[in-house]
Amino acid sequence: EIVLTQSPGTLSLSPGETATLSCRGSQSVTSNFLAWYQQKPGQAPRLLIYGASTRATGIPDRFSGSGSGTDFTLTISRLEPEDFAVYYCQQYGSSPLFSFGPGTKVDVK
Amino acid sequence: QVQLQESGPGLVKPSETLSLTCSVSGDSMRNFYWTWIRQPPGKGLEWIGNIYFSGTINYAPSLKSRVSISVDTSKKQFSLRLSSVTPADTAVYYCARASGVFDFWGRGILVTVSS
Repeated sequence: EIVLTQSPGTLSLSPGETATLSCRGSQSVTSNFLAWYQQKPGQAPRLLIYGASTRATGIPDRFSGSGSGTDFTLTISRLEPEDFAVYYCQQYGSSPLFSFGPGTKVDVK
Repeated sequence: QVQLQESGPGLVKPSETLSLTCSVSGDSMRNFYWTWIRQPPGKGLEWIGNIYFSGTINYAPSLKSRVSISVDTSKKQFSLRLSSVTPADTAVYYCARASGVFDFWGRGILVTVSS
């Protein structure tokens, strides 16, 4: 079972700044099958990135993903007010068994 | 556009069985994994398990002894049963469609375990 860790736990930034979120796997994620989700209070998570770096349909280009193997990064450029939320990474390399990271909260400084 | 909707009791007593159903509309159930995910209040996401449209089932190791997932493709529904619940099972339960990633989600249903 692949265990994902995310850092930092909380990231305090101002609108217009850049957020850099990290996700690390306990072992290599097969074929870089790593996704990122955004969750706002009271809502279901929304898929942002899959395959480590491909944006899902309708996701703005200020969201970008990178990385391979065990280390992955989600970068949010020019933070907008609606980007303050919790972000989760998820691996599906061991599909049909899945796992999520514990999340990173991006809040307003 | 695929839509998923969870239904079931919002309150379950300790030691009893939690039962939820997810209704799928807008597309076929073929070629996807139909998944249950939960989120305790204020905490992160936990994958519970999934069922392929053909009936193949996978469960999270931590819950495997208590969980059962089934599918009825004719009704376009899939279901979750979690036995011997405790207050630690209190959570928002989501159903979702998976093709590796979870691209469509239900709105979630809060299930509280309390006497």
